[in-house]
Amino acid sequence: SQQGEEDPQALSIQEGENATMNCSYKTSINNLQWYRQNSGRGLVHLILIRSNEREKHSGRLRVTLDTSKKSSSLLITASRAADTASYFCATDGVNRDDKIIFGKGTRLHILP
Amino acid sequence: NAGVTQTPKFQVLKTGQSMTLQCAQDMNHNSMYWYRQDPGMGLRLIYYSASEGTTDKGEVPNGYNVSRLNKREFSLRLESAAPSQTSVYFCASMLRGTDTQYFGPGTRLTVL
Repeated sequence: SQQGEEDPQALSIQEGENATMNCSYKTSINNLQWYRQNSGRGLVHLILIRSNEREKHSGRLRVTLDTSKKSSSLLITASRAADTASYFCATDGVNRDDKIIFGKGTRLHILP
Repeated sequence: NAGVTQTPKFQVLKTGQSMTLQCAQDMNHNSMYWYRQDPGMGLRLIYYSASEGTTDKGEVPNGYNVSRLNKREFSLRLESAAPSQTSVYFCASMLRGTDTQYFGPGTRLTVL
Protein backbone atom coordinates (compact mmCIF):
# COMPACT_ATOMS: atom_id res chain seq x y z
CA SER A 1 0.00 0.00 0.00
CA GLN A 2 1.10 3.56 -0.59
CA GLN A 3 2.84 5.27 2.29
CA GLY A 4 2.49 8.87 1.12
CA GLU A 5 -0.69 10.50 -0.14
CA GLU A 6 -0.50 13.89 -1.82
CA ASP A 7 -3.24 16.48 -1.71
CA PRO A 8 -4.60 17.94 -3.93
CA GLN A 9 -4.43 15.53 -6.85
CA ALA A 10 -4.32 18.46 -9.27
CA LEU A 11 -3.70 22.18 -8.88
CA SER A 12 -3.86 25.06 -11.36
CA ILE A 13 -2.58 28.51 -10.41
CA GLN A 14 -1.55 31.71 -12.15
CA GLU A 15 2.11 32.34 -12.84
CA GLY A 16 3.64 34.29 -9.98
CA GLU A 17 1.35 32.82 -7.32
CA ASN A 18 2.51 30.41 -4.65
CA ALA A 19 1.68 26.70 -4.91
CA THR A 20 1.21 24.50 -1.86
CA MET A 21 1.03 20.72 -1.94
CA ASN A 22 0.52 18.43 1.01
CA CYS A 23 1.57 14.90 1.81
CA SER A 24 0.32 12.61 4.54
CA TYR A 25 1.90 9.33 5.52
CA LYS A 26 1.05 6.45 7.81
CA THR A 27 4.07 5.06 9.65
CA SER A 28 7.19 6.41 11.31
CA ILE A 29 9.88 7.66 8.96
CA ASN A 30 13.54 8.60 8.96
CA ASN A 31 13.09 11.17 6.24
CA LEU A 32 10.66 12.47 3.63
CA GLN A 33 11.55 13.60 0.14
CA TRP A 34 9.90 15.51 -2.65
CA TYR A 35 10.47 14.71 -6.32
CA ARG A 36 9.36 16.45 -9.52
CA GLN A 37 8.42 14.73 -12.77
CA ASN A 38 8.08 16.64 -16.00
CA SER A 39 5.79 15.10 -18.59
CA GLY A 40 7.39 12.07 -20.22
CA ARG A 41 10.49 12.20 -18.03
CA GLY A 42 11.91 10.44 -15.00
CA LEU A 43 11.66 11.81 -11.49
CA VAL A 44 14.11 14.40 -10.23
CA HIS A 45 14.94 14.78 -6.55
CA LEU A 46 14.07 18.20 -5.12
CA ILE A 47 14.60 18.16 -1.39
CA LEU A 48 14.92 15.82 1.59
CA ILE A 49 13.84 16.63 5.13
CA ARG A 50 14.82 14.43 8.05
CA SER A 51 12.46 13.41 10.82
CA ASN A 52 14.22 15.69 13.32
CA GLU A 53 13.81 18.74 11.06
CA ARG A 54 10.71 20.90 10.90
CA GLU A 55 11.44 23.15 7.93
CA LYS A 56 13.88 23.27 5.05
CA HIS A 57 14.46 25.69 2.20
CA SER A 58 16.00 25.31 -1.23
CA GLY A 59 15.72 28.29 -3.55
CA ARG A 60 11.99 28.89 -4.12
CA LEU A 61 11.07 25.65 -2.35
CA ARG A 62 10.03 25.43 1.27
CA VAL A 63 9.26 22.09 2.88
CA THR A 64 7.74 21.57 6.30
CA LEU A 65 7.39 18.36 8.26
CA ASP A 66 5.06 17.68 11.17
CA THR A 67 5.82 14.21 12.50
CA SER A 68 3.05 14.43 15.11
CA LYS A 69 0.49 14.80 12.31
CA LYS A 70 2.47 12.60 9.90
CA SER A 71 2.28 15.28 7.24
CA SER A 72 4.49 17.46 5.07
CA SER A 73 3.93 20.38 2.77
CA LEU A 74 5.82 21.67 -0.25
CA LEU A 75 5.54 25.36 -1.03
CA ILE A 76 6.76 26.74 -4.35
CA THR A 77 6.93 30.51 -4.23
CA ALA A 78 6.60 32.87 -7.21
CA SER A 79 5.64 30.06 -9.55
CA ARG A 80 6.88 29.93 -13.15
CA ALA A 81 5.64 28.12 -16.24
CA ALA A 82 8.61 25.75 -15.91
CA ASP A 83 7.22 24.57 -12.55
CA THR A 84 4.40 22.78 -14.41
CA ALA A 85 4.97 19.14 -13.49
CA SER A 86 3.85 16.38 -11.16
CA TYR A 87 5.21 16.43 -7.62
CA PHE A 88 5.63 13.31 -5.50
CA CYS A 89 6.43 12.84 -1.87
CA ALA A 90 8.40 9.76 -0.89
CA THR A 91 9.07 8.26 2.50
CA ASP A 92 11.50 5.72 3.75
CA GLY A 93 10.85 3.32 6.59
CA VAL A 94 12.61 3.09 9.91
CA ASN A 95 13.92 -0.40 9.07
CA ARG A 96 16.52 1.09 6.70
CA ASP A 97 16.03 -1.44 3.92
CA ASP A 98 16.91 1.11 1.21
CA LYS A 99 13.35 1.20 -0.07
CA ILE A 100 11.33 4.37 -0.39
CA ILE A 101 7.61 4.53 -1.10
CA PHE A 102 6.12 7.13 -3.43
CA GLY A 103 2.73 8.76 -3.27
CA LYS A 104 0.45 9.19 -6.28
CA GLY A 105 1.51 12.77 -6.89
CA THR A 106 0.04 16.23 -7.36
CA ARG A 107 -0.23 17.54 -10.93
CA LEU A 108 0.65 21.22 -10.90
CA HIS A 109 -0.27 23.42 -13.85
CA ILE A 110 1.00 27.01 -13.98
CA LEU A 111 -1.24 29.22 -16.10
CA PRO A 112 0.42 32.03 -18.10
CA ASN B 1 28.43 11.24 -16.38
CA ALA B 2 25.41 9.81 -18.17
CA GLY B 3 23.64 9.08 -14.87
CA VAL B 4 21.01 6.36 -15.23
CA THR B 5 20.33 5.09 -18.74
CA GLN B 6 17.54 2.80 -19.90
CA THR B 7 16.96 0.93 -23.12
CA PRO B 8 14.77 0.75 -25.05
CA LYS B 9 12.75 3.98 -24.79
CA PHE B 10 9.67 2.45 -26.38
CA GLN B 11 8.55 -1.12 -26.98
CA VAL B 12 5.41 -2.83 -28.26
CA LEU B 13 4.94 -6.52 -27.50
CA LYS B 14 2.29 -9.07 -28.23
CA THR B 15 0.79 -11.06 -25.38
CA GLY B 16 3.11 -13.94 -24.48
CA GLN B 17 6.28 -12.43 -25.89
CA SER B 18 9.31 -11.91 -23.68
CA MET B 19 11.73 -9.04 -23.39
CA THR B 20 14.40 -7.58 -21.16
CA LEU B 21 14.60 -3.95 -20.11
CA GLN B 22 18.14 -2.76 -19.56
CA CYS B 23 19.34 -0.24 -16.99
CA ALA B 24 22.83 1.02 -16.26
CA GLN B 25 24.26 3.67 -13.94
CA ASP B 26 27.73 5.19 -13.89
CA MET B 27 27.58 6.82 -10.45
CA ASN B 28 29.00 3.84 -8.52
CA HIS B 29 25.73 3.52 -6.59
CA ASN B 30 25.07 0.47 -4.43
CA SER B 31 21.30 0.20 -4.76
CA MET B 32 19.18 -0.07 -7.89
CA TYR B 33 15.43 -0.20 -8.38
CA TRP B 34 12.74 -0.97 -10.93
CA TYR B 35 9.39 0.82 -10.74
CA ARG B 36 6.31 0.87 -12.88
CA GLN B 37 4.14 3.96 -13.24
CA ASP B 38 0.50 3.73 -14.23
CA PRO B 39 -1.97 6.62 -14.52
CA GLY B 40 -3.29 7.61 -11.12
CA MET B 41 -1.15 5.00 -9.33
CA GLY B 42 2.11 6.79 -8.71
CA LEU B 43 5.25 4.66 -8.76
CA ARG B 44 5.15 1.09 -7.55
CA LEU B 45 8.30 -0.83 -6.73
CA ILE B 46 8.74 -4.06 -8.69
CA TYR B 47 12.17 -5.27 -7.53
CA TYR B 48 15.23 -3.72 -6.01
CA SER B 49 18.85 -4.64 -5.43
CA ALA B 50 20.63 -3.30 -2.36
CA SER B 51 24.02 -4.43 -3.65
CA GLU B 52 25.64 -6.48 -6.37
CA GLY B 53 24.50 -10.08 -6.11
CA THR B 54 21.33 -9.41 -4.13
CA THR B 55 17.77 -8.78 -5.27
CA ASP B 56 14.51 -8.42 -3.36
CA LYS B 57 10.85 -8.24 -4.27
CA GLY B 58 8.99 -4.98 -4.06
CA GLU B 59 5.26 -4.28 -4.05
CA VAL B 60 4.36 -5.77 -7.47
CA PRO B 61 6.92 -8.47 -8.46
CA ASN B 62 4.59 -11.00 -10.12
CA GLY B 63 5.34 -11.55 -13.80
CA TYR B 64 8.84 -10.09 -13.58
CA ASN B 65 12.38 -11.28 -12.95
CA VAL B 66 15.53 -9.25 -12.41
CA SER B 67 19.27 -9.68 -12.69
CA ARG B 68 21.91 -7.53 -11.02
CA LEU B 69 24.60 -8.32 -13.55
CA ASN B 70 27.26 -6.21 -11.85
CA LYS B 71 27.36 -3.01 -9.86
CA ARG B 72 26.43 -0.92 -12.91
CA GLU B 73 23.65 -2.94 -14.50
CA PHE B 74 20.21 -4.10 -13.35
CA SER B 75 17.89 -5.70 -15.88
CA LEU B 76 14.16 -6.44 -15.72
CA ARG B 77 12.73 -9.37 -17.65
CA LEU B 78 9.17 -10.08 -18.67
CA GLU B 79 9.01 -13.80 -19.49
CA SER B 80 5.47 -13.82 -20.90
CA ALA B 81 4.09 -10.34 -21.35
CA ALA B 82 0.46 -9.59 -20.47
CA PRO B 83 -1.67 -6.51 -21.30
CA SER B 84 -1.69 -5.69 -17.56
CA GLN B 85 2.05 -5.01 -17.86
CA THR B 86 1.44 -2.08 -20.19
CA SER B 87 3.09 0.74 -18.28
CA VAL B 88 6.02 3.10 -18.08
CA TYR B 89 9.01 1.47 -16.40
CA PHE B 90 11.61 3.48 -14.51
CA CYS B 91 14.97 2.38 -13.24
CA ALA B 92 16.61 4.25 -10.37
CA SER B 93 19.81 4.06 -8.39
CA MET B 94 20.94 5.33 -5.01
CA LEU B 95 24.15 5.68 -3.06
CA ARG B 96 23.53 3.98 0.27
CA GLY B 97 23.16 6.41 3.11
CA THR B 98 22.04 9.33 0.95
CA ASP B 99 18.37 8.34 0.59
CA THR B 100 18.25 10.14 -2.75
CA GLN B 101 17.31 8.19 -5.86
CA TYR B 102 18.35 9.09 -9.39
CA PHE B 103 15.98 8.07 -12.15
CA GLY B 104 16.41 7.03 -15.75
CA PRO B 105 14.22 8.47 -18.52
CA GLY B 106 11.84 5.51 -18.57
CA THR B 107 10.71 2.80 -20.99
CA ARG B 108 7.17 3.03 -22.35
CA LEU B 109 5.92 -0.53 -22.86
CA THR B 110 2.68 -1.51 -24.58
CA VAL B 111 1.49 -5.11 -24.56
CA LEU B 112 -1.20 -5.88 -27.13
